[in-house]
Amino acid sequence: AQSVTQLGSHVSVSEGALVLLRCNYSSSVPPYLFWYVQYPNQGLQLLLKYTTGATLVKGINGFEAEFKKSETSFHLTKPSAHMSDAAEYFCAVIHDTGGFKTIFGAGTRLFVKA
Amino acid sequence: DTEVTQTPKHLVMGMTNKKSLKCEQHMGHRAMYWYKQKAKKPPELMFVYSYEKLSINESVPSRFSPECPNSSLLNLHLHALQPEDSALYLCASSQDRSAGVETQYFGPGTRLLVL
Repeated sequence: AQSVTQLGSHVSVSEGALVLLRCNYSSSVPPYLFWYVQYPNQGLQLLLKYTTGATLVKGINGFEAEFKKSETSFHLTKPSAHMSDAAEYFCAVIHDTGGFKTIFGAGTRLFVKA
Repeated sequence: DTEVTQTPKHLVMGMTNKKSLKCEQHMGHRAMYWYKQKAKKPPELMFVYSYEKLSINESVPSRFSPECPNSSLLNLHLHALQPEDSALYLCASSQDRSAGVETQYFGPGTRLLVL
């Protein structure tokens, strides 16, 4: 069965510092991996996704993630945090054999200090 | 238009009430989803419709009844809910699966409070 683990329910960084949000997955088949962001009182927005091909995936708002099969990881990074990045971030894997079922990690709340 | 809209934004209902949540998209997507999200938790899949047919029902209690009247609309009918059903209900849509792994586009959600 596929699953996703996000390390750290809360991450705090200073404005301008590197953002690193960790995600590890478990899958018996090549996974499709996603990062979503959720701002307070809003729905989820896709930041980026990995399906096949290049393992370094660039997304919106300066975020990127690297698929590392050997480490079963898909960590999200951004070189320089901005106050507007403060939000909840969810890593997710799609259950391809089930067609449409996305399995979300528990989420990581990012705090950005001025 | 890459927007999924949901109405109402907020809903307060008693345990004996009947209400409906509505979701609409005009992106030509043929898959639509309902998720339930409790505070500080990830979304949990409830239902998936594919080409207006119910594709996935994640063992949701019968007091939740989904309906997909056409390819653009998705409803969630609520009846005899319990206080623990209070949550943010998210709708999402994506293109049909034959095109590959599709991005889901989420609406802003309906925040439901059951008293």
